[in-house]
Amino acid sequence: AQSVSQHNHHVILSEAASLELGCNYSYGGTVNLFWYVQYPGQHLQLLLKYFSGDPLVKGIKGFEAEFIKSKFSFNLRKPSVQWSDTAEYFCAVNAKTTDSWGKLQFGAGTQVVVTP
Amino acid sequence: KAGVTQTPRYLIKTRGQQVTLSCSPISGHRSVSWYQQTPGQGLQFLFEYFSETQRNKGNFPGRFSGRQFSNSRSEMNVSTLELGDSALYLCASSLEGSFTDTQYFGPGTRLTVL
Repeated sequence: AQSVSQHNHHVILSEAASLELGCNYSYGGTVNLFWYVQYPGQHLQLLLKYFSGDPLVKGIKGFEAEFIKSKFSFNLRKPSVQWSDTAEYFCAVNAKTTDSWGKLQFGAGTQVVVTP
Repeated sequence: KAGVTQTPRYLIKTRGQQVTLSCSPISGHRSVSWYQQTPGQGLQFLFEYFSETQRNKGNFPGRFSGRQFSNSRSEMNVSTLELGDSALYLCASSLEGSFTDTQYFGPGTRLTVL
């Protein structure tokens, strides 16, 4: 069965520290990859997405992610976090299958807390 | 352009009751997907509707159903509520729900079953 794994459930770091969140998926076919963020009290928002082309994608708020096909990974990075980056981050995969209509498979999420 | 809207935002029901949740997609979007978010199971896909037809379905019991109207608005119904149905129910819309589409999420409906 397809699955999406996020390595860390909770991450605590200080402002200006660098952030890297791991995401691995298990599907050998074509995939589209997403990172969503859920700020406290707000709805899920798209941070960035990878469909094809350059495996290094840039998103909003200084985030970027790298797709490494050989490792089935799509890790999220930010060089210097701010307190406002405190949120829950979700990796999601849309696998190209016969029943992929409107279906995203999500990782369990990583709660990131940035301390001042 | 207005985002995805969901009503109501909060609901409290008791076991055995039924509930209907509503979702209005972004204008021009024809695909609506529903997800259940719980602390234990995370985000799980319920079903997807396109052109008033359910096109995809997750692994949820038949108590969970939905429909879509000609204006693309969608409703989700849960019958015979159980305590475990307490969750945040999220609706997402996309242009056509295809493999290359991006889904945009609403704020969710927080359902509490007592």
